[in-house]
Amino acid sequence: TQLLEQSPQFLSIQEGENLTVYCNSSSVFSSLQWYRQEPGEGPVLLVTVVTGGEVKKLKRLTFQFGDARKDSSLHITAAQPGDTGLYLCAGYNTNAGKSTFGDGTTLTVKP
Amino acid sequence: GAGVSQTPSNKVTEKGKYVELRCDPISGHTALYWYRQSLGQGPEFLIYFQGTGAADDSGLPNDRFFAVRPEGSVSTLKIQRTERGDSAVYLCASSASGNTQYFGPGTRLTVL
Repeated sequence: TQLLEQSPQFLSIQEGENLTVYCNSSSVFSSLQWYRQEPGEGPVLLVTVVTGGEVKKLKRLTFQFGDARKDSSLHITAAQPGDTGLYLCAGYNTNAGKSTFGDGTTLTVKP
Repeated sequence: GAGVSQTPSNKVTEKGKYVELRCDPISGHTALYWYRQSLGQGPEFLIYFQGTGAADDSGLPNDRFFAVRPEGSVSTLKIQRTERGDSAVYLCASSASGNTQYFGPGTRLTVL
């Protein structure tokens, strides 16, 4: 069974601060996705990373895939209240055709 | 275009009853996934369809759970003899490529 551990589980910060959340596994994935989920809604895809060492930037969000394709990080610069939500990482295995999700990091950004 | 839709959005039932949850995927997406999400946890894989066939149903917790996708589009997740422990949000996702999944809003199931 492939497991993904996300840390921290909860994070509460003030508007304008920077933060990093982590997604770690002992398994290698074909690709890794980050999603954001708001209460009462399904997860919304933010990014897919495929290549070991890959870095992708999406406005104030920076995603990095580990060299060994086992772990990833999400860095948010100058967080805003609109960034509040549950951030989920998911590792995709092409051979299995399915994804394994972590339990997420719940981020609260206070104005 | 239209996203993934799920009906009903909320379902309250009594222990022992039968329920059906429906998922309408994005048109043209061949892969369809069902997940279950409990409070404070990430989505837990239940079953995945490639076309009409269940490619992997290893996540179904027991034989009370069953899912179909007869025409390769709409899917129905069926739960027999519901138990209080089945209470959760049931999420459906569809995909054209596998690693990029688009989720519906989910069905919140409450078993009293």
